Amino acid sequence: KQEVTQIPAALSVPEGENLVLNCSFTDSAIYNLQWFRQDPGKGLTSLLLIQSSQREQTSGRLNASLDKSSGRSTLYIAASQPGDSATYLCAVTSGTYKYIFGTGTRLKVLA
Amino acid sequence: EAGVAQSPRYKIIEKRQSVAFWCNPISGHATLYWYQQILGQGPKLLIQFQNNGVVDDSQLPKDRFSAERLKGVDSTLKIQPAKLEDSAVYLCASSTGSGAEEQFFGPGTRLTVL
Repeated sequence: KQEVTQIPAALSVPEGENLVLNCSFTDSAIYNLQWFRQDPGKGLTSLLLIQSSQREQTSGRLNASLDKSSGRSTLYIAASQPGDSATYLCAVTSGTYKYIFGTGTRLKVLA
Repeated sequence: EAGVAQSPRYKIIEKRQSVAFWCNPISGHATLYWYQQILGQGPKLLIQFQNNGVVDDSQLPKDRFSAERLKGVDSTLKIQPAKLEDSAVYLCASSTGSGAEEQFFGPGTRLTVL
């Protein structure tokens, strides 16, 4: 059974810092991994989707990497801003194509 | 292109009452998903439709939850009767197929059961 873990559960950093969010999964037989952002009380905004054959994806200040063999992905946020404050969720698709989500990392960027 | 639409955005009910949520997926998307997200947790899949047929409802509490997708477009999710532990955000998502395609999420409905 696929399980997804995100560490840390919460993170508070000063503005301008580069930071890394971690996501690990127990079954390496995945089709893809996706990072989402969720603002309080809102839905999910897709940030980056990495196919199983890819090693990383980049969008602006965001870079996500995937190491399938070790069951890990990292989301790197460069030069963090207060507007980046949100919960970040990772999800993997495997087996019957269901999205299996982690519990998220709550990020707070202090001005 | 319009995104996934959901209504209502917020709902407050008392336990044992009934409630229904509505979802309109992205035009042309064959697959529709309902997720339940309890505070502090990641979303959990409740049910997946491919057109108007159910693909996976293994985590749907069928004694109180029901869902339908008539005509393979809009979908409704109903809870009857609601319990306190049903308080959560209910997210609808859609995708073009039922494989590993990217899912697109709606804004969600926040349900509070008192």
